[in-house]
Amino acid sequence: DAGVIQSPRHEVTEMGQEVTLRCKPISGHDYLFWYRQTMMRGLELLIYFNNNVPIDDSGMPEDRFSAKMPNASFSTLKIQPSEPRDSAVYFCASSLGFGGNQPQHFGDGTRLSIL
Amino acid sequence: QQPVQSPQAVILREGEDAVINCSSSKALYSVHWYRQKHGEAPVFLMILLKGGEQKGHDKISASFNEKKQQSSLYLTASQLSYSGTYFCGTLIIQGAQKLVFGQGTRLTINP
Repeated sequence: DAGVIQSPRHEVTEMGQEVTLRCKPISGHDYLFWYRQTMMRGLELLIYFNNNVPIDDSGMPEDRFSAKMPNASFSTLKIQPSEPRDSAVYFCASSLGFGGNQPQHFGDGTRLSIL
Repeated sequence: QQPVQSPQAVILREGEDAVINCSSSKALYSVHWYRQKHGEAPVFLMILLKGGEQKGHDKISASFNEKKQQSSLYLTASQLSYSGTYFCGTLIIQGAQKLVFGQGTRLTINP
């Protein structure tokens, strides 16, 4: 079975440009999570969806970040305008259910570099 | 609210044992353990639930001490393939529930 699919794998762009990261969750999973990983802050939850509805976006750093999930098989994380401090690895994960005993399955991540 | 992992890093020889601890200042509902190899995605290992449960996965096992608000991951007779960074994630409930990860423990296994 296909796992969580993210694109692009690498993105290098200049400060001020719009960046769009994409994620396809595992078919049938009803939860989708966006994480950011940096050396300084570790693995941080940005936002998560349940059945395409955003549940908790308290981890989204500021208004420059936005996320959508238009259907059960696709989600985007957008940064506009991008800044060098946004450089990080962004992971998407999905799970069947959420709570005590449901594992999250991570995609391979997008390594984002803002120059 | 981020759980605290210890040690931050450990270096072992193949065949040695290791223990990684994960402590929380908040009440624990469950603890998730993941392993991440360099440049790859975190991979799920196991979930521990309330009740002092202990689980095993090959020669990797874990325990959950609700009273101490702590979980420990045990790696027995370590193999080279065990190298990587281990993360614990604790489920917290603040309005919505969320999984909060520790800062990670880097494990290096040398031949």
